Amino acid sequence: GAVVSQHPSRVICKSGTSVKIECRSLDFQATTMFWYRQFPKQSLMLMATSNEGSKATYEQGVEKDKFLINHASLTLSTLTVTSAHPEDSSFYICSAREGSGIGTDTQYFGPGTRLTVL
Amino acid sequence: DAKTTQPPSMDCAEGRAANLPCNHSTISGNEYVYWYRQIHSQGPQYIIHGLKNNETNEMASLIITEDRKSSTLILPHATLRDTAVYYCIVGTGRRALTFGSGTRLQVQP
Repeated sequence: GAVVSQHPSRVICKSGTSVKIECRSLDFQATTMFWYRQFPKQSLMLMATSNEGSKATYEQGVEKDKFLINHASLTLSTLTVTSAHPEDSSFYICSAREGSGIGTDTQYFGPGTRLTVL
Repeated sequence: DAKTTQPPSMDCAEGRAANLPCNHSTISGNEYVYWYRQIHSQGPQYIIHGLKNNETNEMASLIITEDRKSSTLILPHATLRDTAVYYCIVGTGRRALTFGSGTRLQVQP
């Protein structure tokens, strides 16, 4: 299957700082990537949909000024958590959609980034 | 996207087949059935997907009922490394996937 990478895998930062997480599709081009977060013992929750070359679409309740998403190329999307606070501590996971958008596409997930805000 | 129902947990003996059921009675004609699994502290791993025909790959088999209202994921020879949360998701693949609670499969030695 296709491979999606994330960097970093783990980050610890102080409250008030910003953290950037990268998501790359390694062997395919992805016009659409998705960002999820997962709190302990919960399922994945969609945060936003990232389309290459256009603004991201955020889910209700997700602050777009706090979670900045940039999808500047067909293989890279970044999520920046600005002015992070302890409640932003979570497991952030991206996925990339492989396919033409016609018929069925398959989404492949990155390994996740564990963010801890002190 | 249609909602799915899965048992919260299942056990399986190592070496035996693991059969994970999923109900999706409100699935629409253009929606596929996707299966992913998540091993602790990792991102979800794609397993298999299908529309109406049974599918098989190197990881698993997917059996979809004729009316498409339910499906079963089969891991033919479960190993300890198959212990994970398995998610059955219905959708077109073009939009984000909606994750439910999944089935926690525990493979016993």
